[in-house]
Amino acid sequence: EAGVAQSPRYKIIEKRQSVAFWCNPISGHATLYWYQQILGQGPKLLIQFQNNGVVDDSQLPKDRFSAERLKGVDSTLKIQPAKLEDSAVYLCASSPGTGELGRPSNTQYFGPGTRLTVL
Amino acid sequence: AQSVTQLGSHVSVSEGALVLLRCNYSSSVPPYLFWYVQYPNQGLQLLLKYTSAATLVKGINGFEAEFKKSETSFHLTKPSAHMSDAAEYFCAVSDGKSGNTGKLIFGQGTTLQVKP
Repeated sequence: EAGVAQSPRYKIIEKRQSVAFWCNPISGHATLYWYQQILGQGPKLLIQFQNNGVVDDSQLPKDRFSAERLKGVDSTLKIQPAKLEDSAVYLCASSPGTGELGRPSNTQYFGPGTRLTVL
Repeated sequence: AQSVTQLGSHVSVSEGALVLLRCNYSSSVPPYLFWYVQYPNQGLQLLLKYTSAATLVKGINGFEAEFKKSETSFHLTKPSAHMSDAAEYFCAVSDGKSGNTGKLIFGQGTTLQVKP
């Protein structure tokens, strides 16, 4: 089974520029998450989708960050304009909703991340 | 509100020694608890999870963790460290609502160093 795919793996931009990240979750996973991981810290949720609807975006800086999940599969996360403090690894994760024997499963599977450097 | 505290940002052990990484959680509802490992320049890989079944949970690569409600702890252990265990380890909590696929709240992480 293919894992969560993310691209690009690395991105360097200057402040005030825009950038977009792409995520393809594990096939059939209804829930998709974007996390921000600043160096030396644990990941923090930015936004959670259930199919193509937003479940939680309370920690998303909406003045500069946006995300969409068209057709309930792939997702893109955009930053416009970028600030120095946006330098971080952006992780995408997906969850199946149900696991073994049809029981609820909230195990999240992570992609390799995109490392963003804002100069 | 849920939270996770990982005691010790850096832990150093000798190869073959016991590994103990500490995690304490705070949750107003029965929690789901997770340990993830992150190798350099990679995403997070699930080591093990607690979902209110057995309190002693066995994971991959010889790791295990014990859920202690009275101590609100979920410490990660491995009897004998291997050089390949050197990585960043994250403890995480999620609320335990049935069917919920809610966000994970992560600790700050613990870097495990294994000395030859």
